[in-house]
Formats: sequence, C-alpha cells, structure tokens
Amino acid sequence: DQQVKQNSPSLSVQEGRISILNCDYTNSMFDYFLWYKKYPAEGPTFLISISSIKDKNEDGRFTVFLNKSAKHLSLHIVPSQPGDSAVYFCAASGLYGNKLVFGAGTILRVKS
Amino acid sequence: DVKVTQSSRYLVKRTGEKVFLECVQDMDHENMFWYRQDPGLGLRLIYFSYDVKMKEKGDIPEGYSVSREKKERFSLILESASTNQTSMYLCASTSGLATNEKLFFGSGTQLSVL
Repeated sequence: DQQVKQNSPSLSVQEGRISILNCDYTNSMFDYFLWYKKYPAEGPTFLISISSIKDKNEDGRFTVFLNKSAKHLSLHIVPSQPGDSAVYFCAASGLYGNKLVFGAGTILRVKS
Repeated sequence: DVKVTQSSRYLVKRTGEKVFLECVQDMDHENMFWYRQDPGLGLRLIYFSYDVKMKEKGDIPEGYSVSREKKERFSLILESASTNQTSMYLCASTSGLATNEKLFFGSGTQLSVL
C-alpha cells in the first residue's frame, strides 16, 4: 500500500496562474517532506521541503503547506511559468532514517 | 555542485543477461541509493549503502544485487535480467543520515529488457 499518494496524475495550468499540487500520506511518523521536480531525460532535483513542526515554507514562487491533522501537503507555484512543466514528486522521510518514500508523481503542464 | 554520473543513458539487454549499472558521485557522500521509476508507481528504493562494502535492501530488492567497493561508486547488478525489470533506474547520493537530507540524483538509465 502506498504510504505517500499523489492522486492527480496530471495537471494543466495557464501561464501566470497558480498551480496546486497535492500529496497525502498515511503514516504520522513521517517528520520531513520534500518536493522534487523532474524534467524528461534528467534526474529529479530538489525543489522545496518542510519539517513537520512547520505548516508553511516559502521559497520564491514555491510554497509548501503542511496540514498534519489531515496528513496532507500541497505545493503552490505562483505565478506558473512554462519552464515549470515537469513531473513533481512528493516524498516523505523519518520512518526509516533518511530513506525517502516517494509518491507516484504529478505531471504539470503550464500552457503559454 | 554535486555530480552524480550514471554510465549509460540507454541500455537494451536480452532476457537472462547479467546487467551492470554504474554510478559515480564526486562529492565524497557517504550514502548512495538505487531507485527505479515506473509510471504510476513513482520512485521505489531497490538498495542503498551507508558506507563502503555496506549495503541494505530497500523496498524491492528481488532480482537485484549491489556492490560498493569504493566510496564514490555504487553498482547495481541484475543477475538475470527479466522483462519486468524494464524501467528507468536512478542513482542518488547524500552526505548525511538526517531525515532532512536531500538527495542528489543522476540523469538515469533507461533499461529495456527484450
């Protein structure tokens, strides 16, 4: 059973608008959450993270929100740009040290 | 910048062949990982290593083995390749053991087993 779930396989957004990518997890023992971005033919790269003691972390156009009671986190990209088109993976750690548990990924397409 | 290099971008092998996937990192990282990425399943951990000559099974180790003879190099071995091992293989490394350590990934090897 997947412990980290990204229920939307894909998302399409107009350039300049907000992109919201969602992620749910099942185990409350996870204490750190990360988002990775992956372009075709490249490895994933770290984007932004959040500790379980926080509910928001912001880095430029990217903000991650954590709702521990709902076991839900989301990544907001504002404004969205065509270069943001990629696969976004949500990941969680803390259950097994620094081993990450990844979600299935969401393909984001930003249309110009 | 950390560089994680995977020796092949694309590989085509036949069922039953022994396959070696090589990964080298240049930042003296202690920890190295092998993942496979499949559509709808995300990244799943095959094996990882916290030190030279040390290895631990991940979530899907069956049909794979690994070798870490030097700190910078981590090899994934498919003992007898099967068609269900057709996948994108990603190597990663990180320096510490804390839960907030971010992984640095290579560009991946797309393996096709025919």
